[in-house]
Amino acid sequence: AQTVTQSQPEMSVQEAETVTLSCTYDTSESDYYLFWYKQPPSRQMILVIRQEAYKQQNATENRFSVNFQKAAKSFSLKISDSQLGDAAMYFCAYRSGGNQGGKLIFGQGTELSVKP
Amino acid sequence: GAGVSQSPRYKVAKRGQDVALRCDPISGHVSLFWYQQALGQGPEFLTYFQNEAQLDKSGLPSDRFFAERPEGSVSTLKIQRTQQEDSAVYLCASSLHDRDPNEKLFFGSGTQLSVL
Repeated sequence: AQTVTQSQPEMSVQEAETVTLSCTYDTSESDYYLFWYKQPPSRQMILVIRQEAYKQQNATENRFSVNFQKAAKSFSLKISDSQLGDAAMYFCAYRSGGNQGGKLIFGQGTELSVKP
Repeated sequence: GAGVSQSPRYKVAKRGQDVALRCDPISGHVSLFWYQQALGQGPEFLTYFQNEAQLDKSGLPSDRFFAERPEGSVSTLKIQRTQQEDSAVYLCASSLHDRDPNEKLFFGSGTQLSVL
């Protein structure tokens, strides 16, 4: 079975600085997708960034980028120029490829606070 | 609708009561997922629908949990004889198709269930 681990329950960053959230996963599959979701107090999960496992190039979305190390099964999220609105719970998630209705497997989450 | 809508937003139940949680996915979305999120944890998969067909219910924790989507749109998650351990946020998510694991999932804001 696949597992996702986030070892940092809480992280803090100064506004305008850079922070990296860690995520490791375990799988025997070769075809899969990885995601980072943001969950503000409103509880609605918002997709931040996604990465296809077959792509070597790290995904980037504006201030958000990932460091995908497939051999090490590591998928960290880097947030540059942190803003107050980035404060939220962040979840790393895994989804199998190639099958219908692939469910997301989430990590335990990292609570990010941004200091003004 | 503009997004995935869940109701009620909050539900308080006495232990032993039955509850019904509703999810209105985005119109036309084929795939629908239910997740359970305990306090301080990541969401955990409960069940998956492709239109009206429930293709995966492997995450339902007991036979007290039942989900349906009779017309392939609105879905209801029912919990019978609620227990304190059922207290959690129940999240619903939908996507347009079911063939692409990379396809974006749209989440609702969840129903927070408290069992006293």
